[in-house]
Amino acid sequence: EAGVAQSPRYKIIEKRQSVAFWCNPISGHATLYWYQQILGQGPKLLIQFQNNGVVDDSQLPKDRFSAERLKGVDSTLKIQPAKLEDSAVYLCASSSGTGGNQPQHFGDGTRLSIL
Amino acid sequence: SQQGEEDPQALSIQEGENATMNCSYKTSINNLQWYRQNSGRGLVHLILIRSNEREKHSGRLRVTLDTSKKSSSLLITASRAADTASYFCATRIQGAQKLVFGQGTRLTINP
Repeated sequence: EAGVAQSPRYKIIEKRQSVAFWCNPISGHATLYWYQQILGQGPKLLIQFQNNGVVDDSQLPKDRFSAERLKGVDSTLKIQPAKLEDSAVYLCASSSGTGGNQPQHFGDGTRLSIL
Repeated sequence: SQQGEEDPQALSIQEGENATMNCSYKTSINNLQWYRQNSGRGLVHLILIRSNEREKHSGRLRVTLDTSKKSSSLLITASRAADTASYFCATRIQGAQKLVFGQGTRLTINP
């Protein structure tokens, strides 16, 4: 089966600019996750979707970050405006079951650098 | 503070030796999962162990779980250069619908 697809792989922007990331999960996976991974740390969950509904967005900085999952398939994560501390790898993952009960399948991420 | 904390933070061994990584956590869990991450890539799931299980095997991997000590260990036997990666434990806390990842152990296998 095809894995989780993410684009772009790399993005460099200046602070206060906006940026968007795209994710296509494994076909049939109901649950989709966006994680932020700062260099040297483990992934931190930003938002979790079950189909097209939000299950958990408690750690999403909602003043600047937004995410949507149209039709319960693809998802986009947007940052506007970006801050220096947003420099990180943004990972998308999907799973067939509800959060935490099944293995999660990860894409290779988007590495974001803020100048 | 992190729910899961791996120990050691970094480990360097010779090819063929065994590697052991530990994970401690703070609150009761439903399950604990181990993932591997190669440099510049996404995480890859290795093993899921449920709270009522004590040990699981997968090829050269052996995971143990001690819920009384709130700890888990990942053993990689007969290590290979290709095992060089970061290893993360992730816990599903009881009552939560998400995984919480630790900081990871960076494993280097020297040829």
